[in-house]
Amino acid sequence: AQSVTQLDSQVPVFEEAPVELRCNYSSSVSVYLFWYVQYPNQGLQLLLKYLSGSTLVKGINGFEAEFNKSQTSFHLRKPSVHISDTAEYFCAVSDGFSGGYNKLIFGAGTRLAVHP
Amino acid sequence: NAGVTQTPKFQVLKTGQSMTLQCAQDMNHEYMSWYRQDPGMGLRLIHYSVGAGITDQGEVPNGYNVSRSTTEDFPLRLLSAAPSQTSVYFCASSYSANRGPSNQPQHFGDGTRLSIL
Repeated sequence: AQSVTQLDSQVPVFEEAPVELRCNYSSSVSVYLFWYVQYPNQGLQLLLKYLSGSTLVKGINGFEAEFNKSQTSFHLRKPSVHISDTAEYFCAVSDGFSGGYNKLIFGAGTRLAVHP
Repeated sequence: NAGVTQTPKFQVLKTGQSMTLQCAQDMNHEYMSWYRQDPGMGLRLIHYSVGAGITDQGEVPNGYNVSRSTTEDFPLRLLSAAPSQTSVYFCASSYSANRGPSNQPQHFGDGTRLSIL
């Protein structure tokens, strides 16, 4: 069965500093990987996705993620964060087979707190 | 174009009461799903639908029923609410249930915050 582990439940960081949010997954088949962001009292928005091809994926708001198949990781990075990046971030995986790629398994989330 | 609309936004129920959480999308999306979000557990899939008349169970289906009589609507029913169902519920939709790589992003509603006493 698939699972997703987000290694940090909270990440505090100062404004303009770089940040990395870590995500590891387990799956026995090829996977599709996603990062979503949730702002307070809102639903989730897609930041970026890896389906195939280049292992470095660029998303919205200056975020990027790198797919590493050998380490089964999909870490999210941003070189310089802003106060407005304060939110909860979710990593998700689907295998594209059991119910289609939309059947997502989510990690527990990482709360990013950006301080001035 | 309203996207995915969930009603109500907040609800308090007593144990044993029944309730329907509404979800509607105006994007002609094939795929719709319900998740619950609990602290420290991320989002867990309750039920999903790949088209009108077709539904299936997700990770945590017990205590919930769904139906999909139209493309637009995907209501979630709690037949006899229990305190363990206190959660934030999200409905999501996407254009296609296609298994191929041409993934369309899932659009999420703003959630329904449900408390069961």
